[in-house]
Amino acid sequence: GQNIDQPTEMTATEGAIVQINCTYQTSGFNGLFWYQQHAGEAPTFLSYNVLDGLEEKGRFSSFLSRSKGYSYLLLKELQMKDSASYLCAVKFNDYKLSFGAGTTVTVRA
Amino acid sequence: DSGVTQTPKHLITATGQRVTLRCSPRSGDLSVYWYQQSLDQGLQFLIQYYNGEERAKGNILERFSAQQFPDLHSELNLSSLELGDSALYFCASSYSPEGEPYVYTFGSGTRLTVV
Repeated sequence: GQNIDQPTEMTATEGAIVQINCTYQTSGFNGLFWYQQHAGEAPTFLSYNVLDGLEEKGRFSSFLSRSKGYSYLLLKELQMKDSASYLCAVKFNDYKLSFGAGTTVTVRA
Repeated sequence: DSGVTQTPKHLITATGQRVTLRCSPRSGDLSVYWYQQSLDQGLQFLIQYYNGEERAKGNILERFSAQQFPDLHSELNLSSLELGDSALYFCASSYSPEGEPYVYTFGSGTRLTVV
């Protein structure tokens, strides 16, 4: 919904870095979230950006450019347990959180 | 345990039937959101309640309805079920849709299978 686009799949090697991009329509933007979801489980909150710039949280960082309608989630020092779906979600001015379809990241040994 | 409780965890029912999914939000959270996640699809927003009142509606079918009770728990009613309604149904809660932080905390979901 509301044109939130992210790649469907990405594969990377253990210990490597992966960057997941997300683009969205800028009209009514009110914050961007990244969630992690393992198969069949609940999404869990990773990060939140409302201002331009980089937010770093341990091995995970998230970047936002409001003027470009662009964000990325950077996963560093990948571990096997990082294999999951990563959901980009945008809060617009209509209260609800709209999710992208998710990017499935597969970490290989 | 996220603090958001959903029951039942699994539900198998026949087409044409009616089911009720239940959600108890995290203590102190006033907003409840319902999402549907079908296979290979993203989370689709269904409906939001805030302190007992409907706040926002997404692509919710007319066969579906919801409510939030005075104790803030919520129920999602799905009727005249079709095979295509098979999905994971998630409930999430947050403190306030306007304030910060308003991180959504998700329950573990109800997996509905319509046969």
